[in-house]
Amino acid sequence: DVKVTQSSRYLVKRTGEKVFLECVQDMDHENMFWYRQDPGLGLRLIYFSYDVKMKEKGDIPEGYSVSREKKERFSLILESASTNQTSMYLCASSFQGARAGVTIYFGEGSWLTVV
Amino acid sequence: SQQGEEDPQALSIQEGENATMNCSYKTSINNLQWYRQNSGRGLVHLILIRSNEREKHSGRLRVTLDTSKKSSSLLITASRAADTASYFCATELYNNNDMRFGAGTRLTVKP
Repeated sequence: DVKVTQSSRYLVKRTGEKVFLECVQDMDHENMFWYRQDPGLGLRLIYFSYDVKMKEKGDIPEGYSVSREKKERFSLILESASTNQTSMYLCASSFQGARAGVTIYFGEGSWLTVV
Repeated sequence: SQQGEEDPQALSIQEGENATMNCSYKTSINNLQWYRQNSGRGLVHLILIRSNEREKHSGRLRVTLDTSKKSSSLLITASRAADTASYFCATELYNNNDMRFGAGTRLTVKP
């Protein structure tokens, strides 16, 4: 079974702290994604990566950065956490293959509260 | 920007009834997928329909796609209390690898 593991399920951080959310997948997927989920807004794409060291901005990249040094690991970084970044963060991965139809596999989510 | 929009936002039915959820999208797509999310958990893939397909079945799930109207529907037949979850449509845009999700439909199936 495909496994996408997010390192922290629940985090509480202070305003201004630097926050790292880690994600690891074990299926040799090329694509990895970070989404943010808020009530009534659904999932919004923050960043995605289609290869090691490659990244593309999603719809809401402001206030976030990412790192992909190894194929299996994709990190989301909040340089200076703010209260409006309190949310559930979902990591996901997939094979590449536009037009072929690829399934995205999700982690269980990380609940971040910024106080 | 959000690509898919689900309708209704919330749906409450009795066990045994059918549940229909709709999804509309804005731009040309390669395929459309439906995902399920139990409360507080990650999303799980349910079914994929390609842009050249019109209907697809998987167990109690039936998905239709109308590319001329840029819309899809997910039908769950003979619903069960365990079907209670949020359901999301996701679109893979033409010439893109990234996926866009809608805001979801919250389905409650009462026993």
